[in-house]
Amino acid sequence: KQEVTQIPAALSVPEGENLVLNCSFTDSAIYNLQWFRQDPGKGLTSLLLIQSSQREQTSGRLNASLDKSSGRSTLYIAASQPGDSATYLCAFDRDDKIIFGKGTRLHILP
Amino acid sequence: DAGVIQSPRHEVTEMGQEVTLRCKPISGHDYLFWYRQTMMRGLELLIYFNNNVPIDDSGMPEDRFSAKMPNASFSTLKIQPSEPRDSAVYFCASSYLREQYFGPGTRLTVT
Repeated sequence: KQEVTQIPAALSVPEGENLVLNCSFTDSAIYNLQWFRQDPGKGLTSLLLIQSSQREQTSGRLNASLDKSSGRSTLYIAASQPGDSATYLCAFDRDDKIIFGKGTRLHILP
Repeated sequence: DAGVIQSPRHEVTEMGQEVTLRCKPISGHDYLFWYRQTMMRGLELLIYFNNNVPIDDSGMPEDRFSAKMPNASFSTLKIQPSEPRDSAVYFCASSYLREQYFGPGTRLTVT
């Protein structure tokens, strides 16, 4: 059974710090890996999409990497801000399945 | 484009009633997904369509759940009869080239 694990489930860091969120998966035959942000009571917002032939993607202060051989993806957030507080979810898809992790709740302390 | 549109945003109904959730995907997207999110189980894929055709409905919990996509701009998720354990937030998402865009969700409460 393919699974996606995100550790830790929750994280609090002071404003301004750089941080890394982790996502691990058991199936190396993934097609894409996507990182999302979810604010309380809202839908998911796509942050970065890494296709299987790629190793990383960057958008502003965000950088996501994908290592299929180790079954890991990381989301790096530079110079964190209170507005970054949200739940971050990763999801991988193959041709037949899309599976989400349960997310990491991030709280940036002002 | 206005993004993925879902209606209603909130639905409160009594056990046994029929519930219909609606979704309008982003124009030009060829995939449409229905998800359910709860605190206990997280985000679960219920069913997805490609070019209006259901591809995988293995996530649909029971026969009480059904989904249709009569055309490229509209999909419904129906629960009949509804039960309290169906209470959750239901999301619709659409994608093109496999990057998914989510709607704001429908919060369903079954009493």
